[in-house]
Amino acid sequence: DVKVTQSSRYLVKRTGEKVFLECVQDMDHENMFWYRQDPGLGLRLIYFSYDVKMKEKGDIPEGYSVSREKKERFSLILESASTNQTSMYLCASGTQGGGTEAFFGQGTRLTVV
Amino acid sequence: QKEVEQNSGPLSVPEGAIASLNCTYSDRVSQSFFWYRQYSGKSPELIMSIYSNGDKEDGRFTAQLNKASQYVSLLIRDSQPSDSATYLCAAGRAAGNKLTFGGGTRVLVKP
Repeated sequence: DVKVTQSSRYLVKRTGEKVFLECVQDMDHENMFWYRQDPGLGLRLIYFSYDVKMKEKGDIPEGYSVSREKKERFSLILESASTNQTSMYLCASGTQGGGTEAFFGQGTRLTVV
Repeated sequence: QKEVEQNSGPLSVPEGAIASLNCTYSDRVSQSFFWYRQYSGKSPELIMSIYSNGDKEDGRFTAQLNKASQYVSLLIRDSQPSDSATYLCAAGRAAGNKLTFGGGTRVLVKP
């Protein structure tokens, strides 16, 4: 089975803090994604990576950055957390190629106070 | 207009009945389609994928795809209370690596 593991299930951070969300997958997938999910807004893509050190902006990259130094690990960084970044963050991975399915981690519920 | 659209629901069905969920997409280049189930507070779980026009059955689930009408559906037969969840439709292009998700349809199966 595909396993995508996010480092934290729940996280509470203060406004202005730098926040790191980590994601590890064990299936040697080329693609990794970070989404956020908010009520009424659905799943929105923040960033994705199709190879080590490669990244592309998704639909809502502002306020976020990412890092992929190893194939199995994809990190999401909130440079200066703000209350409007309170959300459920979901990491996913998938094989390369046209429109292949994505497998999700368990999610990190981040609260910025 | 959203690229992938779903009725948000809730879709209320009695136990044992068929739940019918619909999804439309606007990007004609989309080639692959997926249905995910998401329980409250949990992450999405892939339940069906479909790539060709027609029907695809897996257990109690049947996915239907009509590319000419840009329409995807999911049927859940013999609905159970454990099927109560939000169902997300997703579409992917032949080229490119990302999926576009609909807003989800909330399904409530009443005993």
